[in-house]
Amino acid sequence: GAVVSQHPSWVICKSGTSVKIECRSLDFQATTMFWYRQFPKQSLMLMATSNEGSKATYEQGVEKDKFLINHASLTLSTLTVTSAHPEDSSFYICSARDLDQPQHFGDGTRLSIL
Amino acid sequence: QKEVEQDPGPLSVPEGAIVSLNCTYSNSAFQYFMWYRQYSRKGPELLMYTYSSGNKEDGRFTAQVDKSSKYISLFIRDSQPSDSATYLCAIMNQAGTALIFGKGTTLSVSS
Repeated sequence: GAVVSQHPSWVICKSGTSVKIECRSLDFQATTMFWYRQFPKQSLMLMATSNEGSKATYEQGVEKDKFLINHASLTLSTLTVTSAHPEDSSFYICSARDLDQPQHFGDGTRLSIL
Repeated sequence: QKEVEQDPGPLSVPEGAIVSLNCTYSNSAFQYFMWYRQYSRKGPELLMYTYSSGNKEDGRFTAQVDKSSKYISLFIRDSQPSDSATYLCAIMNQAGTALIFGKGTTLSVSS
């Protein structure tokens, strides 16, 4: 149980394009979803928290206009990296939880911007 | 002082060894403690979850919480090469809204 699916697992795109990453909870309702960024050999850095039907709460230093988050249903959240540049290349991971249960993570998306 | 401290290692042990992974935290109000395992290029996988002091066992894994010392541990018995991964401790923040992660300890178990 508690499976979170993240898609795509790897994407390469040109600088200036926008990229959408999907995060789905497959067997539970995700009242809250989280988006993290992870650099090589570093821990996870929380970018934003979203509750279903509400606007996302962004951590300090994260540009909300660059990283658009939508949590339209209890099983789906999307992160769109707008006008991506090489410095946005990273490993993006989503997690989801139901109410006060522990977070369960997706397998991450490796984003490479050329 | 950082809210959660974890020695990044790396830690190398032979197969069959007992592994001890540790974290300390600064806020005595923290109540929920988790251990995640992360393989290379994968998302973290929840291993253990506890909110009380004492031990919690699941197979070869034992999570230990000492709230008086603000110290949490994960023990792995009879370690296997498949246990080679990065282990992250995580603590729920006081508001209950987010996890605070340690830096992760990289473990390598050799056969």
